[in-house]
Amino acid sequence: GAGVSQSPRYKVAKRGQDVALRCDPISGHVSLFWYQQALGQGPEFLTYFQNEAQLDKSGLPSDRFFAERPEGSVSTLKIQRTQQEDSAVYLCASRTRLAGEVEQFFGPGTRLTVL
Amino acid sequence: AQRVTQPEKLLSVFKGAPVELKCNYSYSGSPELFWYVQYSRQRLQLLLRHISRESIKGFTADLNKGETSFHLKKPFAQEEDSAMYYCALRGYNFNKFYFGSGTKLNVKP
Repeated sequence: GAGVSQSPRYKVAKRGQDVALRCDPISGHVSLFWYQQALGQGPEFLTYFQNEAQLDKSGLPSDRFFAERPEGSVSTLKIQRTQQEDSAVYLCASRTRLAGEVEQFFGPGTRLTVL
Repeated sequence: AQRVTQPEKLLSVFKGAPVELKCNYSYSGSPELFWYVQYSRQRLQLLLRHISRESIKGFTADLNKGETSFHLKKPFAQEEDSAMYYCALRGYNFNKFYFGSGTKLNVKP
């Protein structure tokens, strides 16, 4: 079956522009995660959704970052007034509803470059 | 603080040689630890978790609470093992994972 998909795969933005990154999780997956991966680093947690509820947004670096999942499926990560330090790969992952399941399935990522 | 450290950015070994990728963690409770792998042009995927104590593709990892380590080992490396490897910890917040900075394993023929 189809895995997690993300779009666009690459995004170049001028500093100060707003961007929106989309994640389509695996159908039926309840949990959805966003991560930021800077060059040479591991993924860093941004936020977590259970269905449409954003249960943890402690990793969002500033109030310029906003995520939503209004219908409990597709999610959008929005970055307002992008800065050069926002340049990174943004990963989305989803997970089933099975109790005790920990495996996250990752998407291919969106590489954001802010000029 | 919850933190994962992978001290080696790059590890190069010859095919057939043993390999050990180091991972140390900082966590005051009983952690859950994982190894993730990313092959070239592929997605990040789970390799193994310490709870299951399984061997995947010949890799094993033992949790050493005394040394706060979770090193990944394989007795005989294969060229197809070349990839980025990330150690990860799931702490108090079951939905929050902490990743190390990764080690690139290069297995030479």
